[in-house]
Amino acid sequence: DGGITQSPKYLFRKEGQNVTLSCEQNLNHDAMYWYRQDPGQGLRLIYYSQIVNDFQKGDIAEGYSVSREKKESFPLTVTSAQKNPTAFYLCGSSGAGSTNEKLFFGSGTQLSVL
Amino acid sequence: QKEVEQDPGPLSVPEGAIVSLNCTYSNSAFQYFMWYRQYSRKGPELLMYTYSSGNKEDGRFTAQVDKSSKYISLFIRDSQPSDSATYLCAMSQNGQNFVFGPGTRLSVLP
Repeated sequence: DGGITQSPKYLFRKEGQNVTLSCEQNLNHDAMYWYRQDPGQGLRLIYYSQIVNDFQKGDIAEGYSVSREKKESFPLTVTSAQKNPTAFYLCGSSGAGSTNEKLFFGSGTQLSVL
Repeated sequence: QKEVEQDPGPLSVPEGAIVSLNCTYSNSAFQYFMWYRQYSRKGPELLMYTYSSGNKEDGRFTAQVDKSSKYISLFIRDSQPSDSATYLCAMSQNGQNFVFGPGTRLSVLP
């Protein structure tokens, strides 16, 4: 079944702790994205990657880090430097061919602070 | 002025009504336009995709793009309670950097 898998669905972070959100896609897409969604607000771009081993900061990258060691995977780490991490995090991907320029999303991870 | 504006609603309509959802934007370079449906605490689902201007129809959904007015619309015919969700518009200049509206919350009442 092709798609984007995000895990876990719910995640809790203690103060001072780093946590990592997983995102895996089997759509053979080149580009992957991380967005943050707060209630009543649009999606804000955290990081994106167009190719393996390369990524760029989005509008709100402070307090976050990513890696892109494999085409299929784009994990997001929320560091202790992110002081307001409670939000719904969405991973997306877009690719080449007939689906180019179309952005698809996973099911999201809700991160809360304990 | 925000790059993409969208009335947040909530918008309540009776079942069977025609729903009109709209976004305006300021960047005339946008070429790719999308509408997403998002149920509560779920990932957005791509509903409609349009390149440049014109109309596109898919079942009960019609997307319109008017680049001269910098205005896009999504129409839902014969609305159903299952259409109750938040609808996000998104657009892109180059097919890589996407800008989203804040979303319109729709309730279709049985």
